[in-house]
Amino acid sequence: AQSVAQPEDQVNVAEGNPLTVKCTYSVSGNPYLFWYVQYPNRGLQFLLKYITGDNLVKGSYGFEAEFNKSQTSFHLKKPSALVSDSALYFCAVMTGRRALTFGSGTRLQVQP
Amino acid sequence: GAVVSQHPSWVICKSGTSVKIECRSLDFQATTMFWYRQFPKQSLMLMATSNEGSKATYEQGVEKDKFLINHASLTLSTLTVTSAHPEDSSFYICSARVRQNIYEQYFGPGTRLTVT
Repeated sequence: AQSVAQPEDQVNVAEGNPLTVKCTYSVSGNPYLFWYVQYPNRGLQFLLKYITGDNLVKGSYGFEAEFNKSQTSFHLKKPSALVSDSALYFCAVMTGRRALTFGSGTRLQVQP
Repeated sequence: GAVVSQHPSWVICKSGTSVKIECRSLDFQATTMFWYRQFPKQSLMLMATSNEGSKATYEQGVEKDKFLINHASLTLSTLTVTSAHPEDSSFYICSARVRQNIYEQYFGPGTRLTVT
């Protein structure tokens, strides 16, 4: 069975500092990995995905993620956090049926 | 583009009644729609996958007779929670995908169901 793990329930970072939200995965075969962000009362918004190609994937709002096959990780990063980045972040892996299996989510809190 | 709406956004119903939730793709044709359930402070759990004109495929542990899914057109899927009970209270989220791009899913804003 395919799964993703987000080991941190919450990440706190000061505005302007770099941020990292961790994600590890377990899949059979090639992993198709995604990051989504959820704001209150709004639908999940797509940030970025890794399907194939370069291990460093750049996405929306200045976010990027690095696919690391040896460590089975797909950590989300941003060089300089904004208060408006505070939200709930989900890592996900695509299953054989092309649905998504989500991690447990990490709440990012950026302090001014 | 790629907007998915859900209606209602919030519903309260009495135990034993049925509730229908609509998921619409507003500016594209969705060949596949997914229904997820999210408990407070928890992740999204896939309930079922529906393709237009076909019966939905339910995940293990999801009662198909309780959660009726209909995907009658390329822009509309409905989830009906039948004989709702308080334990069905949750946040229900749909997503939609086009055939041409299997890697992109567009999510609706969700429907909060409270069963009293």
